[in-house]
Amino acid sequence: DAGVTQSPTHLIKTRGQHVTLRCSPISGHKSVSWYQQVLGQGPQFIFQYYEKEERGRGNFPDRFSARQFPNYSSELNVNALLLGDSALYLCASSLASGDNQPQHFGDGTRLSIL
Amino acid sequence: QKEVEQNSGPLSVPEGAIASLNCTYSDRGSQSFFWYRQYSGKSPELIMFIYSNGDKEDGRFTAQLNKASQYVSLLIRDSQPSDSATYLCAVHNQAGTALIFGKGTTLSVSS
Repeated sequence: DAGVTQSPTHLIKTRGQHVTLRCSPISGHKSVSWYQQVLGQGPQFIFQYYEKEERGRGNFPDRFSARQFPNYSSELNVNALLLGDSALYLCASSLASGDNQPQHFGDGTRLSIL
Repeated sequence: QKEVEQNSGPLSVPEGAIASLNCTYSDRGSQSFFWYRQYSGKSPELIMFIYSNGDKEDGRFTAQLNKASQYVSLLIRDSQPSDSATYLCAVHNQAGTALIFGKGTTLSVSS
């Protein structure tokens, strides 16, 4: 069975541009979460969606937004890109939201801002 | 600010030895605990999860949880060079929506 798939794998943008990252969860999983990981740090939580509704939001500015589609895939949008947005963006899926729901990560999108 | 603390390492062990990785967390309301392995340049891979006090074993891996001490650990028996990676401890927030990660412990297993 396919795992979590993310696209694109790599992306280069310049400051001020916007970007859309995409994620397809494991078949049967209805919850998608997004994380940002910078070098030397653990992933930082950005959003969680379950059944197309936002269930959690981390401490990120309003330039970051996301949505989940009826097929449970998800998009993360980042506007007005800053140099500090350069990071590995990880999508994770789980069967549902809440405790005792292990999250499985995709391979990530590596975003570089010039 | 809810926190998860790990020693950054590196933790160096010889092949065949037991590697012990430790993690403490600040939120007493946390109920779910996870260990991920991350190879350099790759994404985190779930290797263990534990929800109840005590030990949970899966092959060469044993996770240990002590909620009273707010402490979770991972033991890797018969360590192999292929176990060399960064190990991330993660804790669910009370709502169960977000994983809060430590910075990770780098493990190096020498042959």
